[in-house]
Amino acid sequence: AQSVTQLDSQVPVFEEAPVELRCNYSSSVSVYLFWYVQYPNQGLQLLLKYLSGSTLVKGINGFEAEFNKSQTSFHLRKPSVHISDTAEYFCAVFSGNTGKLIFGQGTTLQVKP
Amino acid sequence: DTAVSQTPKYLVTQMGNDKSIKCEQNLGHDTMYWYKQDSKKFLKIMFSYNNKELIINETVPNRFSPKSPDKAHLNLHINSLELGDSAVYFCASSQDIGQPQHFGDGTRLSIL
Repeated sequence: AQSVTQLDSQVPVFEEAPVELRCNYSSSVSVYLFWYVQYPNQGLQLLLKYLSGSTLVKGINGFEAEFNKSQTSFHLRKPSVHISDTAEYFCAVFSGNTGKLIFGQGTTLQVKP
Repeated sequence: DTAVSQTPKYLVTQMGNDKSIKCEQNLGHDTMYWYKQDSKKFLKIMFSYNNKELIINETVPNRFSPKSPDKAHLNLHINSLELGDSAVYFCASSQDIGQPQHFGDGTRLSIL
């Protein structure tokens, strides 16, 4: 069965430091990969997506992610975080087999001054 | 110009009641979804409609019934509410199946 694992439930980091949020997935077929951000009391907002093509994907707010097929990973990175990046981040995988978007458990990014 | 709007934002009610949550999207998308986010923030698909046809119906109690009067609307009706139904319910839409989804701000349902 298709699954998504976000390896860290919480990531505390100081402002202006780099950050990486890890995501691994399991699927035997081609997938589409997404990262979403959820600010408090709001819905999810798309950060970036991988559908095909270049494995390095750039998104909004300075985030980027790299699709690694051999390691079945799609880690999210930002070279320098801001206080305003404090939020919940979700990795998600869509499989054409099931027609469903499966979400990871979420990672809470806490940016400290 | 809210792309995906759901009402109400908060819903507090008693066990056993019947309630509805409405969702509308003005993006011209063909596919709409309902998700449930539990207290641990885990998100799970409940239903999906494509061009008004039900295409995903997860293992959800049949007390939950979606209705899509047209492509821009997907409402969720819940009968005989139970304590375990307390959660945040999100509506979403996408151009087509597999495309990036746009989410509403959620409806926080609390059962007393």
